[in-house]
Amino acid sequence: ETGVTQSPTHLIKTRGQQVTLRCSSQSGHNTVSWYQQALGQGPQFIFQYYREEENGRGNFPPRFSGLQFPNYSSELNVNALELDDSALYLCASSLVGRNTEAFFGQGTRLTVV
Amino acid sequence: GESVGLHLPTLSVQEGDNSIINCAYSNSASDYFIWYKQESGKGPQFIIDIRSNMDKRQGQRVTVLLNKTVKHLSLQIAATQPGDSAVYFCAENTGSGYALNFGKGTSLLVTP
Repeated sequence: ETGVTQSPTHLIKTRGQQVTLRCSSQSGHNTVSWYQQALGQGPQFIFQYYREEENGRGNFPPRFSGLQFPNYSSELNVNALELDDSALYLCASSLVGRNTEAFFGQGTRLTVV
Repeated sequence: GESVGLHLPTLSVQEGDNSIINCAYSNSASDYFIWYKQESGKGPQFIIDIRSNMDKRQGQRVTVLLNKTVKHLSLQIAATQPGDSAVYFCAENTGSGYALNFGKGTSLLVTP
């Protein structure tokens, strides 16, 4: 088991609603990345946070936003939920510049109905 | 489009046999390749990685081979066990420092 924890584990939301997912990093890690994993697919990079600022972003619209806190924990916020947002959302923590040593949490399964 | 892909979506092997999972990539600038194992209901778990300046790297029961000429990566699992049943992903780190690019995954099923 990694030291990365995510909450909640499962969530059901209605289309158009907003959702906040949370992640606690592995001790000693200062970088948090978020990934979206659709059923049967590999994880897709959403964005990364370092020093409480967005440090890189994948091909996701602005309604996907995030925060990183001084204790390196992080939130992923998604506004105006769409049915296609249904997926497993994964958080990974690492040291800056060392993404090959990223540790993933167990994920939050989001279902949009 | 994706630059990392897998040749086979599913692989079934008998317990005790060796498994080989393949992956193709297209980005010559990738400096690291990583194999992850994902069990049902869990996040990806790091297995082994290899730098682009290496051809082979061995771990415990696993070996990763990198062929830069044909842009091909493989994961070999020796003496496959039921606990190895999972989805395996290859991922590349392109050196930008912040993103891992994952392929679609291969489902490995180990039968007794």
